[in-house]
Amino acid sequence: DAMVIQNPRYQVTQFGKPVTLSCSQTLNHNVMYWYQQKSSQAPKLLFHYYDKDFNNEADTPDNFQSRRPNTSFCFLDIRSPGLGDAAMYLCATSLRGTGAYEQYFGPGTRLTVT
Amino acid sequence: TQLLEQSPQFLSIQEGENLTVYCNSSSVFSSLQWYRQEPGEGPVLLVTVVTGGEVKKLKRLTFQFGDARKDSSLHITAAQPGDTGLYLCAGAGPNTGNQFYFGTGTSLTVIP
Repeated sequence: DAMVIQNPRYQVTQFGKPVTLSCSQTLNHNVMYWYQQKSSQAPKLLFHYYDKDFNNEADTPDNFQSRRPNTSFCFLDIRSPGLGDAAMYLCATSLRGTGAYEQYFGPGTRLTVT
Repeated sequence: TQLLEQSPQFLSIQEGENLTVYCNSSSVFSSLQWYRQEPGEGPVLLVTVVTGGEVKKLKRLTFQFGDARKDSSLHITAAQPGDTGLYLCAGAGPNTGNQFYFGTGTSLTVIP
């Protein structure tokens, strides 16, 4: 089945220790998104790629970076995690240009910062 | 700017009751999605509505898109404990680029 996959599902890192979260998709969608979600709140968009074009949200901290080496993969790098970065990180995809915009999410990575 | 407001924010009901969740905006959207998210999981797409006035049904769930495509509702008939979760609406287009704007979320608990 076509899907969005996130690894790992759970990640524990130490304060200030860089961490990378990964996302892959088999949907062949041209847009990939990274969201941060805290305690039953709505997901907050960090950035997205439309093909190789990177789009950063104005309030996304510089501590967060992203890479998309090819259509299928996208990575979220947190350079120096703080306690406030503990959250669920969600990857999502959509197919731009279909007219009926839909977004599909992965299962998420729960990040704990100790 | 919060483009989509959901109400209620929290809802706790007994099994078998009916409920309605509202998603309201002052902006027009090309499409609107409803998701359900269970604890520790990603949101799962339930439905997409694209036409003003459109009504879609998914078993006991009924979704409606407002005539002006600014608002939507989700009605659940005879709620069951398996309906428990966070319900999110999200709107896209025509002027949102590649972005989806999420509602504030409704946390539903169905008590057996």
